[in-house]
Amino acid sequence: SQKIEQNSEALNIQEGKTATLTCNYTNYSPAYLQWYRQDPGRGPVFLLLIRENEKEKRKERLKVTFDTTLKQSLFHITASQPADSATYLCALGSGGGFKTIFGAGTRLFVKA
Amino acid sequence: NAGVTQTPKFRVLKTGQSMTLLCAQDMNHEYMYWYRQDPGMGLRLIHYSVGEGTTAKGEVPDGYNVSRLKKQNFLLGLESAAPSQTSVYFCASSRRTRNTGELFFGEGSRLTVL
Repeated sequence: SQKIEQNSEALNIQEGKTATLTCNYTNYSPAYLQWYRQDPGRGPVFLLLIRENEKEKRKERLKVTFDTTLKQSLFHITASQPADSATYLCALGSGGGFKTIFGAGTRLFVKA
Repeated sequence: NAGVTQTPKFRVLKTGQSMTLLCAQDMNHEYMYWYRQDPGMGLRLIHYSVGEGTTAKGEVPDGYNVSRLKKQNFLLGLESAAPSQTSVYFCASSRRTRNTGELFFGEGSRLTVL
């Protein structure tokens, strides 16, 4: 069955450092991969999308890589800030949004 | 611009009771979805709709029903609540596109079934 794995352990980093989150998947050939941010008690918010034919995407301090051979995506936040503390969800999709599947998320804590 | 609005935000039910969660979106999106989120698990799709008057089953549809009578509204019903349905429910919407599937989520409805 299709499976997405994100590190279930929280990631603790110091302010100013680069946070790197990992998303691995099996039994799926996605057309695109998305990253969402979710704050406690709130709904997920879309951050970035990268398509299967793209290796890297950047948006401000965010960078996403997508390796369809390794079936892995890396999500980087450079110059991290305490405000970046949240849970980050990886999602895979193909076709319409109803084919999107989500990972359980990784909690990030950025200490001042 | 409200985006996606869910009501109620919190609800406590007894086993066997029924209830309806309401989702409204003001972005004129064709697609709407209901997910549940449980600790340690990813969001799981319950039901979805690709247009007014149409609905389809997702990954975990048992025990739930939905209706989409108006394009902007998507209702999720529990006819006979069970403790296993204790969860946080999220409604989402998206444009009709094959290439991105970007989802816009509501703030969630926390349901406890005793």
